[in-house]
Amino acid sequence: SQQGEEDPQALSIQEGENATMNCSYKTSINNLQWYRQNSGRGLVHLILIRSNEREKHSGRLRVTLDTSKKSSSLLITASRAADTASYFCVGRGGGSNYKLTFGKGTLLTVNP
Amino acid sequence: GAGVSQSPSNKVTEKGKDVELRCDPISGHTALYWYRQSLGQGLEFLIYFQGNSAPDKSGLPSDRFSAERTGGSVSTLTIQRTQQEDSAVYLCASSLGDPDTQYFGPGTRLTVL
Repeated sequence: SQQGEEDPQALSIQEGENATMNCSYKTSINNLQWYRQNSGRGLVHLILIRSNEREKHSGRLRVTLDTSKKSSSLLITASRAADTASYFCVGRGGGSNYKLTFGKGTLLTVNP
Repeated sequence: GAGVSQSPSNKVTEKGKDVELRCDPISGHTALYWYRQSLGQGLEFLIYFQGNSAPDKSGLPSDRFSAERTGGSVSTLTIQRTQQEDSAVYLCASSLGDPDTQYFGPGTRLTVL
């Protein structure tokens, strides 16, 4: 896998607001996945979007993928304090595919 | 269904002691992975199992680290003669196969004094 580069590095919002974070990657992928990590629940897989998909929804999550720009975005709507976590993207495709490598992530803080 | 479980959740040990970390993957998942995450660092791959065999041990930092998987299910990561630099969160993940989505356990926080 290849690690993505998340942007911004940190994001602070109020509960109820939407949060958007972006991911860029370097080489072609078969799919891109977003993970979340917080101290309470460890590393959690959120959503997978395949290279032939442009947008995908899961609950309050919306992910877009633009393979021409090698970028993805994760939108969390109606944020909650429990969404406070670091968010990582990882592109899958190519050899040694199973080794997940994460970048620094986006640290999202949702203030009550 | 049940997710990946790891035990213990926390382990404090003295330098030089051996430790064993356990991972119970999701039932039916043939692939199992060990990673570690040091404070402020990213995810570091350690070892990959497909069934009971480990086709990739390239991430094990030294020969003090070993891992086994029995019955295609539970895996144990053993660290012998622990050093302070071994302090980290050790994460286990499993997937149906490769390159399917990896699901992580809660981790074992190892502190070597």
